[in-house]
Amino acid sequence: NAGVTQTPKFRVLKTGQSMTLLCAQDMNHEYMYWYRQDPGMGLRLIHYSVGEGTTAKGEVPDGYNVSRLKKQNFLLGLESAAPSQTSVYFCASRDLYRGIGEQYFGPGTRLTVT
Amino acid sequence: GENVEQHPSTLSVQEGDSAVIKCTYSDSASNYFPWYKQELGKRPQLIIDIRSNVGEKKDQRIAVTLNKTAKHFSLHITETQPEDSAVYFCAASKDIGGFKTIFGAGTRLFVKA
Repeated sequence: NAGVTQTPKFRVLKTGQSMTLLCAQDMNHEYMYWYRQDPGMGLRLIHYSVGEGTTAKGEVPDGYNVSRLKKQNFLLGLESAAPSQTSVYFCASRDLYRGIGEQYFGPGTRLTVT
Repeated sequence: GENVEQHPSTLSVQEGDSAVIKCTYSDSASNYFPWYKQELGKRPQLIIDIRSNVGEKKDQRIAVTLNKTAKHFSLHITETQPEDSAVYFCAASKDIGGFKTIFGAGTRLFVKA
């Protein structure tokens, strides 16, 4: 199993450009999450999904949109990138049927907005 | 809102010494407390976790304690080694509302050889 994968690994955007980050998991997990990680601030939840076709806002959702059209994929979109969105983005998934427990993280996407 | 505070932000110890990282949480409904280790440029990985019905859990050199009344939990690493150097995150979660997890800001641990 590949676990949780993310594409791309790195990206540089100009202010105002748009992009989509893709997260894929092959563990048949119901729950998926998008976090951003900034120095000194830990991981902050952007959006999450409790199953195919569902999404919900986390702590810092502004400026981002998400979609979960297929159970294995969770997409994070930036419609008009801003320098404040420069960060490392991590996707994670969790198995609903084992109850509360470990989140499995992807390798991260480093995004720079100039 | 829900919050997890973590201290210290930086910790430097001599190889072989113990390291202790402390966290407090605000949501009394939290019932799952994982600790993640993140090495430079890598993804966070779970090293130990504890559920609210347990006061202490140990796994080799790592132990976690939980005081639900005070809403405190701590990570203890004994006989530290240089490979323990990393950033450690505590977190609090509850089994409702999407199992959302709130993370502390992290502790950068340096183990000097």
